[in-house]
Amino acid sequence: QKEVEQNSGPLSVPEGAIASLNCTYSDRVSQSFFWYRQYSGKSPELIMSIYSNGDKEDGRFTAQLNKASQYVSLLIRDSQPSDSATYLCAVMDSSYKLIFGSGTRLLVRP
Amino acid sequence: NAGVTQTPKFQVLKTGQSMTLQCAQDMNHNSMYWYRQDPGMGLRLIYYSASEGTTDKGEVPNGYNVSRLNKREFSLRLESAAPSQTSVYFCASSENEYEQYFGPGTRLTVT
Repeated sequence: QKEVEQNSGPLSVPEGAIASLNCTYSDRVSQSFFWYRQYSGKSPELIMSIYSNGDKEDGRFTAQLNKASQYVSLLIRDSQPSDSATYLCAVMDSSYKLIFGSGTRLLVRP
Repeated sequence: NAGVTQTPKFQVLKTGQSMTLQCAQDMNHNSMYWYRQDPGMGLRLIYYSASEGTTDKGEVPNGYNVSRLNKREFSLRLESAAPSQTSVYFCASSENEYEQYFGPGTRLTVT
């Protein structure tokens, strides 16, 4: 059973802080990794994809991948109250299907 | 560009009733997907279609059927609804099987 694990949270950070969201996965052959943001009652929105070990930056978001440790993370710098949402980690398996974690709820306190 | 659209937004069914959830995309994507999302369970793949004319089972296909009507449209049918199928259903599409884009969802309650 391929698994993607996330801490359900909530992760509470003050406005302006760095929020760090973590994800581990079980399938060693996975090569493609994604972070989705989901506001309450809305659909998931793709915010980052990462395919190689290391860091990938896009604005205030940085995705980090360590395939040896089977670990993906998302850093949000200068967190804003509008970043409060559930963040879903997704890992693509060898059949090109996405396996989703259950998500981490982030609360950014003004 | 509307992206991915889904109808209806909300639906209440009685046990045993049937219904079809509709999904359409205007991004000329090849691949389309149906997921369900339950509290604490994350998104689980029901069926997907890698290209027009093909469909394959995902993680939780029992109780569902799908039709890839054309490149734009991918429908999900519940033949005999059960309370266990109460969920939020999302359709998604992808150009290259990597980055998937989601529709607004259908909230289904089966009583």
